[in-house]
Amino acid sequence: EAGVAQSPRYKIIEKRQSVAFWCNPISGHATLYWYQQILGQGPKLLIQFQNNGVVDDSQLPKDRFSAERLKGVDSTLKIQPAKLEDSAVYLCASSPSRTGELFFGEGSRLTVL
Amino acid sequence: AQSVTQPDIHITVSEGASLELRCNYSYGATPYLFWYVQSPGQGLQLLLKYFSGDTLVQGIKGFEAEFKRSQSSFNLRKPSVHWSDAAEYFCAFMNTGFQKLVFGTGTRLLVSP
Repeated sequence: EAGVAQSPRYKIIEKRQSVAFWCNPISGHATLYWYQQILGQGPKLLIQFQNNGVVDDSQLPKDRFSAERLKGVDSTLKIQPAKLEDSAVYLCASSPSRTGELFFGEGSRLTVL
Repeated sequence: AQSVTQPDIHITVSEGASLELRCNYSYGATPYLFWYVQSPGQGLQLLLKYFSGDTLVQGIKGFEAEFKRSQSSFNLRKPSVHWSDAAEYFCAFMNTGFQKLVFGTGTRLLVSP
């Protein structure tokens, strides 16, 4: 079974530029999550999708971050414009419905200069 | 507020010695509890989970955890640590609606020869 795929693995941009991250979850997983992990901290949930609907985006900085889940399958997280404090690893995870077990991708590391 | 706390930022254990990583939760009912491990540059991997039933839970790689309601704790243990166990360990919490997995701040395990 293929795991959660994320790209790109690494991205370096300057502040005020934009960036997009892509995630392809495990086939059949209804729930998709985006987490932000700043160095030395635990992952923080940015947004959670159930199929193509948003379940929780309470911690998503909506003035600069946006996310969508196309047709309930893969997802894109965008940051525009980026700030220095957005430097982090962006983790995508998926889960079958109502199991509580998340499967994580390897993450996309963003450096904002 | 619903949360998990990992009081130890770093722990160093000699190879072959036993290990216990602490986790405390704050929730009005019995939550769903998880331990994840993150090796350098890798995504998070589920070690074990507790939903209900037997309070001693067995996981992968020889890890176990015990749920203690009276202490609001879910500590992770391993009887004999291997050098390959060096990693970051995260305790996580989910409410009984299977919404929003919330992570603790993590404990970094160092294994000395």
